[in-house]
Amino acid sequence: GAVVSQHPSWVICKSGTSVKIECRSLDFQATTMFWYRQFPKQSLMLMATSNEGSKATYEQGVEKDKFLINHASLTLSTLTVTSAHPEDSSFYICSGPSAGGIGEQFFGPGTRLTVL
Amino acid sequence: GENVEQHPSTLSVQEGDSAVIKCTYSDSASNYFPWYKQELGKRPQLIIDIRSNVGEKKDQRIAVTLNKTAKHFSLHITETQPEDSAVYFCAASTGTASKLTFGTGTRLQVTL
Repeated sequence: GAVVSQHPSWVICKSGTSVKIECRSLDFQATTMFWYRQFPKQSLMLMATSNEGSKATYEQGVEKDKFLINHASLTLSTLTVTSAHPEDSSFYICSGPSAGGIGEQFFGPGTRLTVL
Repeated sequence: GENVEQHPSTLSVQEGDSAVIKCTYSDSASNYFPWYKQELGKRPQLIIDIRSNVGEKKDQRIAVTLNKTAKHFSLHITETQPEDSAVYFCAASTGTASKLTFGTGTRLQVTL
């Protein structure tokens, strides 16, 4: 299957700072990437759909000014958590869909964010 | 939007027994149903998937069944082993953008 990487794998930051998470598709081009958030012992919840060359589509209840998404190229999408607070501490995972838009998604390894 | 319910939330079976996890979905337009296994701190791992034009799919000890009329699908694991212990998620997608809606997860524990 296709490979998706994320960086960093974990990050600890102080409350009020911003954190950028990178998601790269290493061997395929992705016009769309998805960002999920997973709190401990909970399911994956879609935060937003990242679209190459256009604005991201956010799910209801997700603050677009707090979670900035940029899809600058066909292989890179970034999520920036601005003014992070302890309640933003979570596991963030990106994924890219298979060619054709129907079928398997390829997940990145995830980024563990801890906000102190 | 799509809503996926998953039961049970926890499941404990003895090694060698079978395990069944069930999910229901709400959007009749959903046409892709994957199952993921997730170990602590790791990404979800696709273990099997099924598309709406198929009623059943099997891969060694793992099988998935789909009932489109009732809008439910199930994961069956036979001859369970300790390494099957993990959290399992079902998901559904309408396919047009591959956005996945996940179930709430089932923590499976296989005891010796």
